[in-house]
Amino acid sequence: ELKVEQNPLFLSMQEGKNYTIYCNYSTTSDRLYWYRQDPGKSLESLFVLLSNGAVKQEGRLMASLDTKARLSTLHITAAVHDLSATYFCAVCRFFSGSRLTFGEGTQLTVNP
Amino acid sequence: GAGVSQSPRYKVAKRGQDVALRCDPISGHVSLFWYQQALGQGPEFLTYFQNEAQLDKSGLPSDRFFAERPEGSVSTLKIQRTQQEDSAVYLCASSLSTTYEQYFGPGTRLTVT
Repeated sequence: ELKVEQNPLFLSMQEGKNYTIYCNYSTTSDRLYWYRQDPGKSLESLFVLLSNGAVKQEGRLMASLDTKARLSTLHITAAVHDLSATYFCAVCRFFSGSRLTFGEGTQLTVNP
Repeated sequence: GAGVSQSPRYKVAKRGQDVALRCDPISGHVSLFWYQQALGQGPEFLTYFQNEAQLDKSGLPSDRFFAERPEGSVSTLKIQRTQQEDSAVYLCASSLSTTYEQYFGPGTRLTVT
């Protein structure tokens, strides 16, 4: 059974600081996604990572994938209040119909 | 173009009532997925359609849950005899095909009282 674990589950940080969210998964996967979810809203896709060593950056967020370690990271650089949200990683395996298996989510609060 | 839409956005049901949740996928998207998101949790897979065929329903929590997509576009998730533990946000997602990215709708928040 595929399991996806994120840590930390809760993260409170000050503006201007850097931090990393980790996502571990238990079996091989075909794709890894990072999503953002604001309270009461749906999921907003941030990154799709396809292969080992993949790195993608958008603004203050950078995601990477190490398929050998079954680990993805979401790095936050110089956090700002607008980044406060819950972040999910999700793993996709084509042979299982591409259903997504999500982590528990990391609730990020950026304080002024 | 329009994204994935879901209706109703909010539904309050008394325990024991039946509910029907609708999903309109992006036009032309072959694959359609339903997920259940309990409060404070990540979404969990319920079921998946390829056109009108329901190819995987292994995530449906009980036989009270039923989903259909009769013409390969709009899908309905039906929950019979709702229970309090059914309270959650139900998310629908669609994709061009199975290997393509899924796009999520706004969700339906179901509260069973």
